Amino acid sequence: ETGVTQSPTHLIKTRGQQVTLRCSSQSGHNTVSWYQQALGQGPQFIFQYYREEENGRGNFPPRFSGLQFPNYSSELNVNALELDDSALYLCASSLERSSGNTIYFGEGSWLTVV
Amino acid sequence: GNSVTQMEGPVTLSEEAFLTINCTYTATGYPSLFWYVQYPGEGLQLLLKATKADDKGSNKGFEATYRKETTSFHLEKGSVQVSDSAVYFCALTMYSGGGADGLTFGKGTHLIIQP
Repeated sequence: ETGVTQSPTHLIKTRGQQVTLRCSSQSGHNTVSWYQQALGQGPQFIFQYYREEENGRGNFPPRFSGLQFPNYSSELNVNALELDDSALYLCASSLERSSGNTIYFGEGSWLTVV
Repeated sequence: GNSVTQMEGPVTLSEEAFLTINCTYTATGYPSLFWYVQYPGEGLQLLLKATKADDKGSNKGFEATYRKETTSFHLEKGSVQVSDSAVYFCALTMYSGGGADGLTFGKGTHLIIQP
């Protein structure tokens, strides 16, 4: 149990639709990051939020966007869904942005695009 | 850019065998290094970490030493159990001016332990 909760756990969307995934970080953690994990692959960094501002971004197009709220919970939005967006989306939280801090992951949201 | 390379799986061992999963990295600077484990149907769990050269991370009988000279962070365990069957990911992160970057992961190594 990491204290990071994600919703929904599974969902199916149609190509071209939009999706919002949600994450509640561990209590007191002000840094939240999102990862995409395709089947059989390692997670790929999408972006990170620190105190409600985007603080780093991986190699993902602008149709992947996010928000972090004052309580440090977060959303990942994906517009114009493509079949290749089918993956497990992982949220992670940590206390501050130090590279030595432990990063805790949620169990993920499985997205299937048909 | 930063990258992590780890041995391809699946790796199949008998219970009580010695385990090594190789991990090497490429990074500009001195990253922090991690091993994460993913059990079937679950999210990622931190197994161990090391934040500077020659540090040894350890947890649940697993160990890994941060070797700057060989840019490696190999995972070892002296005697594996069936319950260790999972996918293991090596990862790194760097600290830049704006804070820690996101984790860069390897592709994962699927470990299967047979009774």
